[in-house]
Amino acid sequence: ETGVTQSPTHLIKTRGQQVTLRCSSQSGHNTVSWYQQALGQGPQFIFQYYREEENGRGNFPPRFSGLQFPNYSSELNVNALELDDSALYLCASSLLGTPGGEQYFGPGTRLTVT
Amino acid sequence: AQSVTQLGSHVSVSEGALVLLRCNYSSSVPPYLFWYVQYPNQGLQLLLKYTSAATLVKGINGFEAEFKKSETSFHLTKPSAHMSDAAEYFCAVSASNTGNQFYFGTGTSLTVIP
Repeated sequence: ETGVTQSPTHLIKTRGQQVTLRCSSQSGHNTVSWYQQALGQGPQFIFQYYREEENGRGNFPPRFSGLQFPNYSSELNVNALELDDSALYLCASSLLGTPGGEQYFGPGTRLTVT
Repeated sequence: AQSVTQLGSHVSVSEGALVLLRCNYSSSVPPYLFWYVQYPNQGLQLLLKYTSAATLVKGINGFEAEFKKSETSFHLTKPSAHMSDAAEYFCAVSASNTGNQFYFGTGTSLTVIP
């Protein structure tokens, strides 16, 4: 069984640029959720994708967008990067419809915006 | 709406002592509750979860938690701390009627003193 993988591991961008982060979900899972974890904070829910459609969104502006592909992998795109976007971005996969189903997290992508 | 409050951002215990990490939740519907652990520069690993079955939940690495509806609490305990328990611990809640969207607390950093 393959776990959740994310790429790249680290990324440095300049304010105003755009970034794409990638996530491969765990085998058998159909849902991907993205979280932002600022330094010293808990993960904050960005959005969730199920069957290639957004299935819930947290309090993040529209410049945060995503995609889910037929193989359930996913991308997180952030446009017009701001300094406050510097954080660890975590991807989690799960099986929607499983009562109390846990989310399985990847190792994260560390984004630094300068 | 769901939310989690973790009391105590930093907890220090001696090796072999009891570990108690506090979590209180707020949920308008019966909640699902989770404890995750995060080691430095890694993603989140599930310790245990409560899904409305037994109120005392046993997890990995000797951890357990008790769901107390009257106190809206889900505190994490371990009878005897080990050096390898030093990490960041996060409590999370999801709602039974909104799929798998998780809401995390701000975390508790556990230090184990030899």
